[in-house]
Amino acid sequence: DQQVKQNSPSLSVQEGRISILNCDYTNSMFDYFLWYKKYPAEGPTFLISISSIKDKNEDGRFTVFLNKSAKHLSLHIVPSQPGDSAVYFCAATKYNFNKFYFGSGTKLNVKP
Amino acid sequence: DADVTQTPRNRITKTGKRIMLECSQTKGHDRMYWYRQDPGLGLRLIYYSFDVKDINKGEISDGYSVSRQAQAKFSLSLESAIPNQTALYFCATSEPSSYNEQFFGPGTRLTVL
Repeated sequence: DQQVKQNSPSLSVQEGRISILNCDYTNSMFDYFLWYKKYPAEGPTFLISISSIKDKNEDGRFTVFLNKSAKHLSLHIVPSQPGDSAVYFCAATKYNFNKFYFGSGTKLNVKP
Repeated sequence: DADVTQTPRNRITKTGKRIMLECSQTKGHDRMYWYRQDPGLGLRLIYYSFDVKDINKGEISDGYSVSRQAQAKFSLSLESAIPNQTALYFCATSEPSSYNEQFFGPGTRLTVL
């Protein structure tokens, strides 16, 4: 059973608007979460992360929100740009767990 | 030059054949991982290694084996390939600590006929 889930396989957004990508997890022991971005024919690249001691982390246009009680995190991209069009994976781990668990990915399309 | 390289990038093989996927890294990281990506399932961990003498099974290790020839090299083998091993395979590296992100290679697209 998948411990990290991304229930939206795809999302389409107009350039300049906000993109919100969602991720849910089931294991309450996870205490560190990451988002990766993947372009076609390339490997995933790290985008942003958040520790469970925080509920928000911001890096430029990208903000990750964590709701521990709901076991939910989201990635906000504001404003969205066509170059943001990619597949986004969320991942979760626990200190000393030595493994990362990935969601199935959400394909974001930002229309010019 | 890329920090994490994978060879081959694409491979088509037949059922029952033995195949090896190779991964090399210049990042100097001790930790290396092999994942497979399938549509709708995301990335799943096959094997991981924290140093040359440390090899561990991941979620889906059946049908696969690995070799850590050096700090910089980590190979994945399919002893007898089967069609449901058709997938995109990624190698990744990271520095020690669960709180460091992983660096991925470009992937190998494997098709087993």
